[in-house]
Amino acid sequence: NAGVMQNPRHLVRRRGQEARLRCSPMKGHSHVYWYRQLPEEGLKFMVYLQKENIIDESGMPKERFSAEFPKEGPSILRIQQVVRGDSAAYFCASSQESSTSGQETQYFGPGTRLLVL
Amino acid sequence: GEDVEQSLFLSVREGDSSVINCTYTDSSSTYLYWYKQEPGAGLQLLTYIFSNMDMKQDQRLTVLLNKKDKHLSLRIADTQTGDSAIYFCAEIGGTYKYIFGTGTRLKVLA
Repeated sequence: NAGVMQNPRHLVRRRGQEARLRCSPMKGHSHVYWYRQLPEEGLKFMVYLQKENIIDESGMPKERFSAEFPKEGPSILRIQQVVRGDSAAYFCASSQESSTSGQETQYFGPGTRLLVL
Repeated sequence: GEDVEQSLFLSVREGDSSVINCTYTDSSSTYLYWYKQEPGAGLQLLTYIFSNMDMKQDQRLTVLLNKKDKHLSLRIADTQTGDSAIYFCAEIGGTYKYIFGTGTRLKVLA
């Protein structure tokens, strides 16, 4: 059973370009969570999605950032007009059911490391 | 607040025990986790403890939970050079949001 897959593993963009980060959850998982890890910091929650629904995007910047989890295909985190401060590692996690109160463990992918020049 | 605190660095000699500490703030946390992150890699779940437990042991790993002081620790017995990594504690309370600490960088000296 393949784990959570993310691609690309590394992404380099120039300021003003768009970054698209993809996440394929574990087989059978329909709940996806995105976290961001700034250099020298822990992971911070960004957004929680179920298939075709955004459940909670309270941790995601309101401008330039968007996320989707379509009925078919991976979840996408999209960052428009990237700036240097967007340089970070972006991790995706998935769970079979909602992991409210920790009853379902979130399994993390290897992350995408975004570098904005 | 939602601050989970960890000391930034820990250095031990190979074969010694390592103790990594974590202080959390949400008394309603139900699960507390320890993750390992090697350079350039993702997060590997090491172990977790449910809030009604005081201790959990899993091979070389021992987790201690002091709910009164909101203190969590991870002890690694017989630390090896392969244990060198960043260790994150994380808590989850009534929501699905994991709250991570800043990570402790463990360096094992040969």
